[in-house]
Amino acid sequence: EAEVAQSPRYKITEKSQAVAFWCDPISGHATLYWYRQILGQGPELLVQFQDESVVDDSQLPKDRFSAERLKGVDSTLKIQPAELGDSAMYLCASSLFREANVLTFGAGSRLTVL
Amino acid sequence: AQTVTQSQPEMSVQEAETVTLSCTYDTSENNYYLFWYKQPPSRQMILVIRQEAYKQQNATENRFSVNFQKAAKSFSLKISDSQLGDTAMYFCALGANFGNEKLTFGTGTRLTIIP
Repeated sequence: EAEVAQSPRYKITEKSQAVAFWCDPISGHATLYWYRQILGQGPELLVQFQDESVVDDSQLPKDRFSAERLKGVDSTLKIQPAELGDSAMYLCASSLFREANVLTFGAGSRLTVL
Repeated sequence: AQTVTQSQPEMSVQEAETVTLSCTYDTSENNYYLFWYKQPPSRQMILVIRQEAYKQQNATENRFSVNFQKAAKSFSLKISDSQLGDTAMYFCALGANFGNEKLTFGTGTRLTIIP
């Protein structure tokens, strides 16, 4: 069964350091999402891509976060510099274009900022 | 803006019993979808069930069914004959603004099935 791949699964870093997460969506899925899930809360959308274009990044803290999907396939989410409040699970998901919000999630990347 | 509210942070039920998880939502859209996602401990989130708002018939998937009350903006999940593998966080989610398929999630309900 096709899966959304994410790496690393776990990342521990000190505040002010840079960190990057990688996501490889299911082949053929044009839409890719990055969600942030703080412990005990529901996921919140950070950025949505349609192919290589950003559709929605209204909740992305652009002073420290950046995301790219250069060839419309895999994607990287970067945080620089990391802050204590960035500790969370970063979830990547993908979907077929216009398939009624049916998202397939990856296992997530858990970030701990010390 | 759209919101999703889950008012039950935690629930527990004996194995084989039935449990209902509550969800209310708000949206100004006419066309939207509602979802229940399951997130087992340390595992990825998976789709449990989906409901199209324009359909009056409640969706069912094996032991999982929903009670969709559009006028009340309520969308509850019923799990029948609960199993130990149902232990997980359950998130209600709303997908509106058709064509921009992002989901808005609730805060989740932690469900524990007791042997």
